[in-house]
Amino acid sequence: QITLTQQAESLWISPGERVSITCRASQSLLYTDGKHYLSWYQQRPGQTTKALIYHASVRTDGVPTRFIGSGSGTEFTLSIEHVQPEDFAIYYCLQTLKSPWTFGGGTKLELK
Amino acid sequence: EVQLVESGGGLVQPGRSLKLSCAASGFTFSNYYMAWVRQAPKKGLEWVATISTSGSRTYYPDSVKGRFTISRDNAKSSLYLQMNSLKSEDTATYYCARLELSLWYFDFWGPGTMVTVSS
Repeated sequence: QITLTQQAESLWISPGERVSITCRASQSLLYTDGKHYLSWYQQRPGQTTKALIYHASVRTDGVPTRFIGSGSGTEFTLSIEHVQPEDFAIYYCLQTLKSPWTFGGGTKLELK
Repeated sequence: EVQLVESGGGLVQPGRSLKLSCAASGFTFSNYYMAWVRQAPKKGLEWVATISTSGSRTYYPDSVKGRFTISRDNAKSSLYLQMNSLKSEDTATYYCARLELSLWYFDFWGPGTMVTVSS
């Protein structure tokens, strides 16, 4: 199965800073259609899990432009520019290229 | 507005069974693949099962294959997860999620229902 590794379990940042969360796959997530089957999700206490990014870099409807997905092959990054108070949450990557679909272990953004 | 609401969770003894439900509204349920994802306490997310629009195709990871069965009733806009031979490691919050099929990501999630497997 494809393993997704989010190296950082926690990142401490201050509001207004820029942060990057990385997700490394054990094999390429590029499909023959030229798209990467990697998506990003946000979990905040008391709220439903929210999809942020699909195909590695496409924001879902309504997601603020400060959320930026990038990367290719096996290395992916979710960047958040000018972090807002509501962005302190846990972020997960997910691959849907091959079954079993697998999630990264999660990265928690914490207030410095 | 898309809504997914899970129910049926609770405390169950190891080896017993439990059936979860997910009521969907705000979209044409029969047009979407659906899935279950779980999260053990203080742990990460784990995909549990996916079902096609008609219910004819189902997919599972090895961790639950043969014990869990996903199903749906399109007439009732409902998704189900039958869990048999439950183990302590099945203790988790179980989320119902809608799959955006052409893009292969979970675009909407429910709030979850907690399942505790303990004697």
